[in-house]
Amino acid sequence: KAGVTQTPRYLIKTRGQQVTLSCSPISGHRSVSWYQQTPGQGLQFLFEYFSETQRNKGNFPGRFSGRQFSNSRSEMNVSTLELGDSALYLCASSLWVSSGREETQYFGPGTRLLVL
Amino acid sequence: KNQVEQSPQSLIILEGKNCTLQCNYTVSPFSNLRWYKQDTGRGPVSLTIMTFSENTKSNGRYTATLDADTKQSSLHITASQLSDSASYICVVSARGAAGNKLTFGGGTRVLVKP
Repeated sequence: KAGVTQTPRYLIKTRGQQVTLSCSPISGHRSVSWYQQTPGQGLQFLFEYFSETQRNKGNFPGRFSGRQFSNSRSEMNVSTLELGDSALYLCASSLWVSSGREETQYFGPGTRLLVL
Repeated sequence: KNQVEQSPQSLIILEGKNCTLQCNYTVSPFSNLRWYKQDTGRGPVSLTIMTFSENTKSNGRYTATLDADTKQSSLHITASQLSDSASYICVVSARGAAGNKLTFGGGTRVLVKP
């Protein structure tokens, strides 16, 4: 079974631009979460999607947004990029079970974004 | 405020030796605690996930323990190998009305030397 894939792997943008990152979860996984990882802040939760609905949201400004499609693929968008947005953006997928029991998250390789 | 503190920040050990990483948390209401291994330039990989009632869980040479009373967890690496060089991240999940929220520790960077 293929793992979580993210595209692109690397990206260079300039301040003020916007960027869209893509994530394809493991087949059958319906929950997709996004994280930002920086050397200074570590891993921080952005948002989680399930069945095309945002289920959870972290403490990031409105410039960060996301969506999930009917095939569970997800995109995240960052508008008006700032230097501080330079980071590794990780996507993770997991099964969702009706009992509410949490399942293991499987992470993709990440997209490394550099904002100049 | 939910927090997860890991220690030490970094660690150098010789191949074949054992080591123990610590994770202290102030997350409530507690749902589960996970340990991840993250190789440089890659996404984290799950090692263990423990709920409130589980005291210990093993995954090969990795053994995690959980003391829910003191809100502490440890990850023990036995007979370390060069491939164990990575960052190890402790993540604690808190129950929420809108779903569980994850709080990440800052990680412990482990370097195994031959």
